[in-house]
Amino acid sequence: GAGVSQSPRYKVAKRGQDVALRCDPISGHVSLFWYQQALGQGPEFLTYFQNEAQLDKSGLPSDRFFAERPEGSVSTLKIQRTQQEDSAVYLCASSSGTWDYYGYTFGSGTRLTVV
Amino acid sequence: AQSVSQHNHHVILSEAASLELGCNYSYGGTVNLFWYVQYPGQHLQLLLKYFSGDPLVKGIKGFEAEFIKSKFSFNLRRPSVQWSDTAEYFCAVNGGNAGNNRKLIWGLGTSLAVNP
Repeated sequence: GAGVSQSPRYKVAKRGQDVALRCDPISGHVSLFWYQQALGQGPEFLTYFQNEAQLDKSGLPSDRFFAERPEGSVSTLKIQRTQQEDSAVYLCASSSGTWDYYGYTFGSGTRLTVV
Repeated sequence: AQSVSQHNHHVILSEAASLELGCNYSYGGTVNLFWYVQYPGQHLQLLLKYFSGDPLVKGIKGFEAEFIKSKFSFNLRRPSVQWSDTAEYFCAVNGGNAGNNRKLIWGLGTSLAVNP
């Protein structure tokens, strides 16, 4: 597609519920990133894939967070047993290579609200 | 610790005024520096970047930024703002192109409102 597509745009989850957030990167983009942006904050890094390999998952806040990109294209961020502190916008970004020169293309994000 | 500090959280200007948004970073070693912009209701977009070479970089829409290594700064400037520049501006840094250095460290953002 022309841009990075994220779904759903909005998700309301009851505390304790599991959620899955989807990211469709630009076709052919090798690198894919997930960020978490709380209200009034800058994005915080969660994890990074190069093709299907998860090269950095140092930002995942707990073992309740899990990300995968099994075929090197679509990625899913899964949050188990959601907590209120998980409420945030989850951003996905992709880039065409393994180098940052052209920056990343961001999706519009998924706004997760845990009630 | 790696961090990015943006000095102004909220800026209000009139059209045609000059803009300078401050950004300082704390990061060991070689850095890549970025400014991203988020217009109301839109996704983050790359405004400009610095990798190496000329420390004065120019981006889209007449924005420019200057990398001053000795001050660990990468301030964003625009000589004359327009109402359409109303947006959230984020400064970000990463450590280059190796696998574990690609994650971006972000500032808190600066909300710019330009009055017509």
